[in-house]
Amino acid sequence: GQQVMQIPQYQHVQEGEDFTTYCNSSTTLSNIQWYKQRPGGHPVFLIQLVKSGEVKKQKRLTFQFGEAKKNSSLHITATQTTDVGTYFCAGRARGGSNYKLTFGKGTLLTVNP
Amino acid sequence: EAGVAQSPRYKIIEKRQSVAFWCNPISGHATLYWYQQILGQGPKLLIQFQNNGVVDDSQLPKDRFSAERLKGVDSTLKIQPAKLEDSAVYLCASSLRLDEKLFFGSGTQLSVL
Repeated sequence: GQQVMQIPQYQHVQEGEDFTTYCNSSTTLSNIQWYKQRPGGHPVFLIQLVKSGEVKKQKRLTFQFGEAKKNSSLHITATQTTDVGTYFCAGRARGGSNYKLTFGKGTLLTVNP
Repeated sequence: EAGVAQSPRYKIIEKRQSVAFWCNPISGHATLYWYQQILGQGPKLLIQFQNNGVVDDSQLPKDRFSAERLKGVDSTLKIQPAKLEDSAVYLCASSLRLDEKLFFGSGTQLSVL
């Protein structure tokens, strides 16, 4: 079945440093979503990417979808303590009709003030 | 707007006992999901409903887990009998349509002793 892999598993940064997490799918995706889960909380939707090569920005966050629609990345510029949490990518397989959304294992980001 | 409601928030049971979780999605959302999240891992889809029909239940351990969504609104997830490895957070999510962003509830944290 479809697998979604994320690296790194953990990332610890000093406040103000940049952060990037990478997501790779075993199959071509129709779209990919990113979620953030604060410690003790539930996943909260950040963004959805649909087009090949798409780049979207939300303030200090930049999301990219690969040309082959099999990989994606999330980059945070100048991290803040409010960025702490686990970032998940979730991909929908291309083709079929079930629209199943498969989550990666996530990258846990901690920020030292 | 009201979010996805789940209950109970916490549940502690002994192995071989049964347990049930309840979910009320956002009004008007046709798609409802049950995910299992083990500590340190990404959410794993157990079952996905479109209105009151099952879209995907390929990862639902059907010998012990069951779920229903009567009238296409509320849903219940049941485990009978529970095993130690069922200890996890059970997240309910809903989306307006099959391919849109998910809104998660706060989850039910299950401990099986």
